[in-house]
Amino acid sequence: QSVLTQPPSVSGAPGQRVTISCTGSSSNIGAGFDVHWYQQLPGTAPKLLIYANTNRPSGVPDRFSGSKSGTSASLAITGLQAEDEADYYCQSYDSSLSGSRVFGGGTKLTVL
Amino acid sequence: QVQLQESGPGLVKPSETLSLTCTVSGGSISSYYWTWIRQPPGKGLEWIGYIYYTGSSIYYPSLKSRVTMSVDTSKKQFSLRLSSVTAADTAVYYCAREGYSDGQYYGMDVWGQGTTVTVSS
Repeated sequence: QSVLTQPPSVSGAPGQRVTISCTGSSSNIGAGFDVHWYQQLPGTAPKLLIYANTNRPSGVPDRFSGSKSGTSASLAITGLQAEDEADYYCQSYDSSLSGSRVFGGGTKLTVL
Repeated sequence: QVQLQESGPGLVKPSETLSLTCTVSGGSISSYYWTWIRQPPGKGLEWIGYIYYTGSSIYYPSLKSRVTMSVDTSKKQFSLRLSSVTAADTAVYYCAREGYSDGQYYGMDVWGQGTTVTVSS
């Protein structure tokens, strides 16, 4: 059972927009801690996609965007491409776990 | 370009200690949190803990009694030791760098390729 809750799977057709939610609580996202998002392509290490809620590292397409409100955060992907098919994880910090970093359970994105 | 490389045994016997090292190349080991994350087969990411370049550390509470991390700044390496392993510790183990500055966390922006550790007799 992950501290942050994500839907197990989402899907969309090429060109469409999809969102992935990440729900936490008052000890993590709701406490004001930042949320980061990672993309994990099959058989590879995770890659930082969004940091500090809304920021894209250099090289990440602007098709990817992040937002945060209350105890939740979301990752939006517009103009879906086949290469976006991957697992996506949110990550934050939890004050009830001594400042531990916590991950969501991951969401498998399927491009139809 | 900073790169991380994990090294260590791929097979560990139950009840023994898992030991991994991560070598940092192409950049400084100072001023970052150096992190270990694992991913059991077919499952999600699990944060194990971090060690700061000064040697301070935080471990995930459920693993705290079995985890020890250390850092050697002269060799630009940091290490993980996980004692009393069981089959549940079988996973791909990643090392990663987490950026932090002036109260702002920047996420884990550099990852190693991961190393598979199997716990089996």
